[in-house]
Amino acid sequence: GAVVSQHPSWVICKSGTSVKIECRSLDFQATTMFWYRQFPKQSLMLMATSNEGSKATYEQGVEKDKFLINHASLTLSTLTVTSAHPEDSSFYICSAPRTGAPNEQFFGPGTRLTVL
Amino acid sequence: AQTVTQSQPEMSVQEAETVTLSCTYDTSESNYYLFWYKQPPSRQMILVIRQEAYKQQNATENRFSVNFQKAAKSFSLKISDSQLGDTAMYFCAFRNNDMRFGAGTRLTVKP
Repeated sequence: GAVVSQHPSWVICKSGTSVKIECRSLDFQATTMFWYRQFPKQSLMLMATSNEGSKATYEQGVEKDKFLINHASLTLSTLTVTSAHPEDSSFYICSAPRTGAPNEQFFGPGTRLTVL
Repeated sequence: AQTVTQSQPEMSVQEAETVTLSCTYDTSESNYYLFWYKQPPSRQMILVIRQEAYKQQNATENRFSVNFQKAAKSFSLKISDSQLGDTAMYFCAFRNNDMRFGAGTRLTVKP
């Protein structure tokens, strides 16, 4: 099956710093990628939809200036958490549907962010 | 916006028995997709089964099957011959323009 990778798998940073998380579709093209956030024992909450070549679409309540998304190519989307604070500590998961196949959506392994 | 509801936060079942996890959703769309995902402690999302809304036949994948009731907007998952490895969080998901998840059901299979 198709593979989506995320890097890094975990990161610890100091409050006030920025952290970049990469999401790659390894063997298929994805014009759209989704970023989710998951707190412990909770569900996946959609943060934003990343679109190749255009601006991301953010869900209500998600600060676009804090969570910068760039979809630079058909296989790469990045999420940058700017000026991270402890409350940003969470598990971030990206997901990519195969272009033209909305019933096939693949998930990355997730990135655990801890902000001290 | 579409909403997905899983009303069973936790469930347990004896090994080899059958269990059904419930899911309802709300949408005004006619074309969409429904999924059940399993999330083990590793937190990697694993596709269990999917259903296209335009298909009337219920999807099956080995021990996993769904009961899709489009008019009632219901999409339940039945796990037959439960195995210890089925212990995990299970999320129901709705996909149209994006994918949204229910709150999840924590399933424990007891030996």
